[in-house]
Amino acid sequence: EAGVAQSPRYKIIEKRQSVAFWCNPISGHATLYWYQQILGQGPKLLIQFQNNGVVDDSQLPKDRFSAERLKGVDSTLKIQPAKLEDSAVYLCASSLAANTEAFFGQGTRLTVV
Amino acid sequence: AQKITQTQPGMFVQEKEAVTLDCTYDTSDQSYGLFWYKQPSSGEMIFLIYQGSYDEQNATEGRYSLNFQKARKSANLVISASQLGDSAMYFCAMTLISSGSARQLTFGSGTQLTVLP
Repeated sequence: EAGVAQSPRYKIIEKRQSVAFWCNPISGHATLYWYQQILGQGPKLLIQFQNNGVVDDSQLPKDRFSAERLKGVDSTLKIQPAKLEDSAVYLCASSLAANTEAFFGQGTRLTVV
Repeated sequence: AQKITQTQPGMFVQEKEAVTLDCTYDTSDQSYGLFWYKQPSSGEMIFLIYQGSYDEQNATEGRYSLNFQKARKSANLVISASQLGDSAMYFCAMTLISSGSARQLTFGSGTQLTVLP
């Protein structure tokens, strides 16, 4: 079974530029999460999808971050414009159903200079 | 909103000994799930063990067991017979479950475990 795929693995951009990350969850997983993990901290949930609907985006900085999961499968997370404090690893995860474990991709390490 | 607290930023254990990583949680909901994940230096998050709030027995998965004390709102991870490969960051996480749908998987700040030879 293929795992959660994320791309790119690494990205370096200048502040005020825009960037997009892509995630393809495990086939059949209805729930998809995007997390931000700043160095030395635990992952912080940015947005959670159930199929193509948003379940929770309360911690998503909506003035600069956006995410979509149009067909209920893969998802993109965009930052526009990026700030220095956005430097982090962006993790995508998916789970089959309620109260089942989430499987994580390898993440995208973003550096904003 | 739920909250996860891990009070041990770092822990050391001798190889082959057991170690307990602490996790306390805060929620007023009755239905929730608790998870432990391992994050090696390579960065991937690896699921270890799950405990449901209504599960009567403590969860076990190989060398991992979860010491679930509901009244104290604690869900400590016990690793028996530590191995050098267990050196990693360990995260406790929690999800609320309502009407059959999980809501928000929230993580603690993590504990860095180092296994000494």
